[in-house]
Formats: sequence, structure tokens, C-alpha cells
Amino acid sequence: KQEVTQIPAALSVPEGENLVLNCSFTDSAIYNLQWFRQDPGKGLTSLLLIQSSQREQTSGRLNASLDKSSGRSTLYIAASQPGDSATYLCAVINAGGTSYGKLTFGQGTILTVHP
Amino acid sequence: EAGVVQSPRYKIIEKKQPVAFWCNPISGHNTLYWYLQNLGQGPELLIRYENEEAVDDSQLPKDRFSAERLKGVDSTLKIQPAELGDSAVYLCASSFGLAHADTQYFGPGTRLTVL
Repeated sequence: KQEVTQIPAALSVPEGENLVLNCSFTDSAIYNLQWFRQDPGKGLTSLLLIQSSQREQTSGRLNASLDKSSGRSTLYIAASQPGDSATYLCAVINAGGTSYGKLTFGQGTILTVHP
Repeated sequence: EAGVVQSPRYKIIEKKQPVAFWCNPISGHNTLYWYLQNLGQGPELLIRYENEEAVDDSQLPKDRFSAERLKGVDSTLKIQPAELGDSAVYLCASSFGLAHADTQYFGPGTRLTVL
């Protein structure tokens, strides 16, 4: 059974800092990995999607990397802003076994960027 | 373009009462998902539809939960009877194609409180 773990559970940084969120998964048989953002009381917004054949994806100040063989991904946020405060969720689409085609989420990292 | 629409946004009921949630996916999206999100956790898939067919309902507690997507467009998730442990956020998502290939777009969710 696929398990996704995110570290740290919570992170508080001053505005302007660069930061890294970590995600690990136990089964490397995945189709892709996605990073989502969730604001309080709202649904999830997809930030970046990395296909299993890719190593990284970039969007603005966000950069996500994927090392499928070691079961790890990182989300790098450059020059953080208070508006980046949210919960960040990592999820993988499973490619095999009983979890085929299923999106499995980590528990999230709560990010607070203070002015 | 309208996103995934869910109603109601909030629902408070007493235990043993029935409750229903409604979801309208993004126009043209063939795949629809219902997720359960407990506080401080990532979403967990309850059921996935490809058009009107439920292709993965292994996580749906079928003794009290039911879902339908009769015309392959909007969907309803029902709980009868509700239990205290059902208090959570119920998220609906949709994607254009198959789960492993396309980004999933999430609705704002329905927050259920069972008293």
C-alpha cells in the first residue's frame, strides 16, 4: 500500500526566505507526482505536476523535483511572501497493485510566512 | 470557466440522520472523484467515476455510503445514517481524462458536522 509522508508538518518563516518542503513515498511505481495548495476552508489547487519520466517542474517562484528511485520529492519556494501561507500537499498517482490510478496524499505541511 | 461546484458548503446534522452532497464537475470532464478529508490529514479517495461507471469504490463504506452519477455529469454522495465519525470535509474533484494522466481540479468541499 502506497504511503506518502511530508516533512515538516508545520513551518514558520519570515518573508523573503527561500524554503524547501519534503515529500517521500514508499512505492516508486507511480505515474506522476503533484503538489497542491489548500487555503483554509477551500479546496485544493494544483501547483505543479511532474510525470514519472521527469526530474523537475517550475512555475514562477516554485520548483518541484522528483527522484522516483529514492521515492522523494521536494518543493522549493523562492522569496516567500505572506500570501504563500497555506497547507501544501504532496500526492502521487499509483501505477501498480491495488492502488492503480489512485491519488494518494500526504498529510500536508502547514506553511506560515510572516511579514 | 466555472470550476467544480459543490453544495451545500456546510451541513450540520444529528447522528442517525441522512445527508446528501451534490457535485457538478467542470464541463467536459469525464472523470469524477469523491474524497474524504479529516482535520489535519490529506484527502482520501472514496469513489472514482469514469463517465457514469464507478471504477474504484473500494474505500467507500457501502453499509452507509452510496453515490451515483446517473448521466455521467453531476454526482450525489449520500450517507444514511450518519455517525459522529463522519464529521469531515467531503471534496469532489474532476479531470478531463484518466486519473493517471490529467490534473484533478477540486471543488471547495462540503464541511459536515454530525452532532
